[in-house]
Amino acid sequence: NAGVTQTPKFRVLKTGQSMTLLCAQDMNHEYMYWYRQDPGMGLRLIHYSVGEGTTAKGEVPDGYNVSRLKKQNFLLGLESAAPSQTSVYFCASRLEGANQPQHFGDGTRLSIL
Amino acid sequence: GQNIDQPTEMTATEGAIVQINCTYQTSGFNGLFWYQQHAGEAPTFLSYNVLDGLEEKGRFSSFLSRSKGYSYLLLKELQMKDSASYLCAIMDSNYQLIWGAGTKLIIKP
Repeated sequence: NAGVTQTPKFRVLKTGQSMTLLCAQDMNHEYMYWYRQDPGMGLRLIHYSVGEGTTAKGEVPDGYNVSRLKKQNFLLGLESAAPSQTSVYFCASRLEGANQPQHFGDGTRLSIL
Repeated sequence: GQNIDQPTEMTATEGAIVQINCTYQTSGFNGLFWYQQHAGEAPTFLSYNVLDGLEEKGRFSSFLSRSKGYSYLLLKELQMKDSASYLCAIMDSNYQLIWGAGTKLIIKP
């Protein structure tokens, strides 16, 4: 099993450019999440999905959009990148159930110049 | 408000025991998770506690006191590969994880 796969692994953008980060999981998980991780701070939830075709805002959704057209994929879009969005982005997924752990992808390191 | 506190950094010696504390104040409680994250890598799941008491899993144990808003992760027989950050996360009333900033553990020979 590949688990949770994120593409790309690294990217450098200029301010104002757009891009999409792709997350794919092969574990048939219902729940999927996008986080950002910044130095000295805990993981912060951007958007999440509790099933195919559904999405919801997390703690820091501004400047990001998401889509979950297929159960296995969760896309994170930056429409107009800003330097404040320089971060490491992690995708995670889990089974339904409060005791189910989240499984993480390897992360995407994004720099906005 | 919601708040999770962990020490920023700890140092321990190979072969010793270390306890990493986590205190929290959150809107609701549906369990506490501990994750390990090596530098430049993804977080990986270590343990889950929802009831008070100690959960043991090999060299790692996790303790929870819900009345005190307190948990700790105990690592025994420390190995160099245990050098990593340890993340405490609370599942709140909305079933979302609220994450602490993590404790960087440095193991010295």
